[in-house]
Amino acid sequence: RKEVEQDPGPFNVPEGATVAFNCTYSNSASQSFFWYRQDCRKEPKLLMSVYSSGNEDGRFTAQLNRASQYISLLIRDSKLSDSATYLCVVKILTGGGNKLTFGTGTQLKVEL
Amino acid sequence: DADVTQTPRNRITKTGKRIMLECSQTKGHDRMYWYRQDPGLGLRLIYYSFDVKDINKGEISDGYSVSRQAQAKFSLSLESAIPNQTALYFCATSSPIGDRNASTDTQYFGPGTRLTVL
Repeated sequence: RKEVEQDPGPFNVPEGATVAFNCTYSNSASQSFFWYRQDCRKEPKLLMSVYSSGNEDGRFTAQLNRASQYISLLIRDSKLSDSATYLCVVKILTGGGNKLTFGTGTQLKVEL
Repeated sequence: DADVTQTPRNRITKTGKRIMLECSQTKGHDRMYWYRQDPGLGLRLIYYSFDVKDINKGEISDGYSVSRQAQAKFSLSLESAIPNQTALYFCATSSPIGDRNASTDTQYFGPGTRLTVL
């Protein structure tokens, strides 16, 4: 089983739609959680951290369910510019320091 | 100017050749990382370094070596390239907020090097 699993998509949605991605992680010792965004042929960039109480940044809302070991990202009022791959990232504390484990990503295509 | 740069951006080489990928950063971060990205496999950690004298293997270090020449520079070498090392390689940097066990540690990625081994 992969440490971090995501539905690869693609999710094709019309502009203005609401779309949600889920991610599950297998290591219960996971400490911190993030969503990164990666545009085609570009580097990943941090979109937002995910906090236990849930957090919102504009049109983006992230949720964490530690009991079920899943993380979600909700995008409201989708824009064409939201088209990208969204990477679920989990941090696990190891003896040598923090280690990030990346999911394979969920591809979003927002269409007119 | 970009905070994290990688050279070369694209490289095509032949099996058995020695290749070096270079990464430089101006962010002043002490931690640096090398990842490779393959379709369907996501980003996988090759090596990481928490300071100039600290080098650690990641999950897929076989066939690779690294050198941390300075705080700002971290190079990845393929001593004898093979076709299954064809991938997109990313360098990243981070600096913990607080101490080593801080709960936040955002990583900043370079633009990537697309390597093809024929």
